Amino acid sequence: KAGVTQTPRYLIKTRGQQVTLSCSPISGHRSVSWYQQTPGQGLQFLFEYFSETQRNKGNFPGRFSGRQFSNSRSEMNVSTLELGDSALYLCASSSGQSYGYTFGSGTRLTVV
Amino acid sequence: AQSVTQLDSQVPVFEEAPVELRCNYSSSVSVYLFWYVQYPNQGLQLLLKYLSGSTLVKGINGFEAEFNKSQTSFHLRKPSVHISDTAEYFCAVESGGSYIPTFGRGTSLIVHP
Repeated sequence: KAGVTQTPRYLIKTRGQQVTLSCSPISGHRSVSWYQQTPGQGLQFLFEYFSETQRNKGNFPGRFSGRQFSNSRSEMNVSTLELGDSALYLCASSSGQSYGYTFGSGTRLTVV
Repeated sequence: AQSVTQLDSQVPVFEEAPVELRCNYSSSVSVYLFWYVQYPNQGLQLLLKYLSGSTLVKGINGFEAEFNKSQTSFHLRKPSVHISDTAEYFCAVESGGSYIPTFGRGTSLIVHP
């Protein structure tokens, strides 16, 4: 079966702009989570969506937001980009607690 | 609250040698434990997981891990590594009631020929 698909793979944006990243989970997975990965901070949890509702949220400012559609596809948006937002953004889907995640290949965002 | 400590940031080893990557966790309730591997420019891939039962769990690519409740550890082992095992390895813990795993900072396994 198809894996988790993230688009685009690479993005370069300018400070102050906004960006939208997309994630298509594995078919049948209703939980989609987003993580930010940087060399300095490691993997940091952004938020988790389940059945179109945000079920959990990490400690990120309100500039980071997301949503999930009825087909479980998810998007995350970052507004007013800062240099420190440069990171690999990973999407992961799961069929439930204890099953583990299936990750996408990530979107590499560079803010200049 | 749950937390994970990966004791080594980098582990160099020669090809065909055994390796152990260490992971300790902290949680006040029952846990699920996971190891993931990340190859360059890719997402994380699940290697193995411990839910309950036998404390020795086997995963993909010849890796195994042992859950030790008294020492709150979940160390990853492989008896003979290959060059292709060079990657970043992450330990993660999920506690009962929380759907969100906490990841360690990762251990870079570097296999030399």
